[in-house]
Amino acid sequence: DVKVTQSSRYLVKRTGEKVFLECVQDMDHENMFWYRQDPGLGLRLIYFSYDVKMKEKGDIPEGYSVSREKKERFSLILESASTNQTSMYLCASGQGHTEAFFGQGTRLTVV
Amino acid sequence: GNSVTQMEGPVTLSEEAFLTINCTYTATGYPSLFWYVQYPGEGLQLLLKATKADDKGSNKGFEATYRKETTSFHLEKGSVQVSDSAVYFCALRSYGDYKLSFGAGTTVTVRA
Repeated sequence: DVKVTQSSRYLVKRTGEKVFLECVQDMDHENMFWYRQDPGLGLRLIYFSYDVKMKEKGDIPEGYSVSREKKERFSLILESASTNQTSMYLCASGQGHTEAFFGQGTRLTVV
Repeated sequence: GNSVTQMEGPVTLSEEAFLTINCTYTATGYPSLFWYVQYPGEGLQLLLKATKADDKGSNKGFEATYRKETTSFHLEKGSVQVSDSAVYFCALRSYGDYKLSFGAGTTVTVRA
């Protein structure tokens, strides 16, 4: 089975902190994604990567950056956390144009 | 651009009732279509998929048929159980596009 693992289930950070969310997949997938999930808004794409060191902005990249130094790992960085970034963050991976496989999610609270 | 519209919830049903969640889409070309399910406190799991017109995806008693003429991919289950309580997301991926586009999600609660 494909496994996508996010480093934390729950995280509480202070406003202004730099926050790192880590994601690792074990299926050698080329594509990795970061989404945020908010009630009534569904899933919105923040960034995705289709190869090591390659990245593209999604629909809501402002306030975020990403890093993909190794194929299996895709990190989401909140440069200076703000309360409006309190959300559920979901990492996913996939190959080609097939379905994506999701991690269990990180619920981030910024206080 | 691509978009997915799902029926609004929440939906509350009794056990053994029939469930339908409507999903329509706008996309360029011929997208692949997916239904994902999210159980409380968990990430999304793929429930079923269809990659071309008239394909029927099915899994765990759920079914959805890719209808190109009506740009729809409605999810159905004939007899729901309490364990089907979850949030259901319709999604699509256009050919040549890496990313999935999601609907807003429909919360389903099944009561015993």
